[in-house]
Amino acid sequence: AQKITQTQPGMFVQEKEAVTLDCTYDTSDQSYGLFWYKQPSSGEMIFLIYQGSYDEQNATEGRYSLNFQKARKSANLVISASQLGDSAMYFCAMRGGSNYQLIWGAGTKLIIKP
Amino acid sequence: EAGVAQSPRYKIIEKRQSVAFWCNPISGHATLYWYQQILGQGPKLLIQFQNNGVVDDSQLPKDRFSAERLKGVDSTLKIQPAKLEDSAVYLCASSSGVLVYGYTFGSGTRLTVV
Repeated sequence: AQKITQTQPGMFVQEKEAVTLDCTYDTSDQSYGLFWYKQPSSGEMIFLIYQGSYDEQNATEGRYSLNFQKARKSANLVISASQLGDSAMYFCAMRGGSNYQLIWGAGTKLIIKP
Repeated sequence: EAGVAQSPRYKIIEKRQSVAFWCNPISGHATLYWYQQILGQGPKLLIQFQNNGVVDDSQLPKDRFSAERLKGVDSTLKIQPAKLEDSAVYLCASSSGVLVYGYTFGSGTRLTVV
């Protein structure tokens, strides 16, 4: 069965520090995709970054990078130089199966301290 | 391009009443998803449409929930009768099939059943 595990329910980080949010996944599919989304208190889901299972290089999008370790089945999100506006829930999700559905982790609540 | 539109933004109803949510996906997106997100959890897929056909509704509580996507564009999700445990955010998402970017989410409808 496909599964996403986020082991950090909450994190406090000092502003301007880098932060790593953990995500491990389980799948028997050869082709899959991994996503990170940000959900502020307003409730919308904001796409941050994507990594395909066949991508050899780690994905980067501005201050976001994805540390993809395929053998360990981990896809950690790294946020460099954190900002107060980064305070939100962060979800790791995996696209798999023939219907391209997303399987979600439980999320990590990130709070940036000034 | 315009995003995924959802309405209403908030809704408070008494248990055993009925409620309906509306979603207008991004123009041209063939796939539409409805998710239920209970506070503190990741989203759970309720139903997936491809154009106006249902791809997966295995997690939709069909005794009380129904959804339709007439003409393959707008979609409506209905709950009748509502229970206290239906209190959640209901997210609509659409996808064009361009896998890298995955899915675009609406702002969600926050339902409170009292």
